[in-house]
Amino acid sequence: NAGVTQTPKFQVLKTGQSMTLQCAQDMNHNSMYWYRQDPGMGLRLIYYSASEGTTDKGEVPNGYNVSRLNKREFSLRLESAAPSQTSVYFCASMSFRGPFWVLHFGNGTRLTVT
Amino acid sequence: DAKTTQPPSMDCAEGRAANLPCNHSTISGNEYVYWYRQIHSQGPQYIIHGLKNNETNEMASLIITEDRKSSTLILPHATLRDTAVYYCIVRRREYGNKLVFGAGTILRVKS
Repeated sequence: NAGVTQTPKFQVLKTGQSMTLQCAQDMNHNSMYWYRQDPGMGLRLIYYSASEGTTDKGEVPNGYNVSRLNKREFSLRLESAAPSQTSVYFCASMSFRGPFWVLHFGNGTRLTVT
Repeated sequence: DAKTTQPPSMDCAEGRAANLPCNHSTISGNEYVYWYRQIHSQGPQYIIHGLKNNETNEMASLIITEDRKSSTLILPHATLRDTAVYYCIVRRREYGNKLVFGAGTILRVKS
């Protein structure tokens, strides 16, 4: 049981390049999330997907697109990377335990845009 | 919508109890308070949650005031490995039932 797996772990891009961050979970969770974390700051929600086939914007969606390919996979795409998108990106899935939720995080993708 | 306020940083001596406060004065009656921690740039990890009553698990205790406007996470015997950023979270309604993180409290456990 791997939990939430993110690839790649590290990436360096040049301004204007595109890339897709991959996330997969093997816990059969419906809800999945993408967060970014800038140095010394908390996590900010980029996009989330409440279930397969649905996605919604979070706090900071500009410059990103997402795809909920199936129940397991939720990818984040940067179409034209900018230095302001240098950050650590975390994917998470959510489990429900009665009336409350628990987020399960991957170990992050560290992205540098030069 | 409920938001949380936490001190930016705290220090604690190894072996002593660490008490991390959180204000959530706009919390509504049926909203849970959640605590997560993030160790050295790893993904955040769930610690504990509560609604009205005090809660305890193998990691920590959570004390919620009677008016539910604040809570305190207690690590009873802090170790160096407890050095981390601790997040107190309440659901934000504009994002449905999703959990939105603030800046958290950096806890430094010192020997």
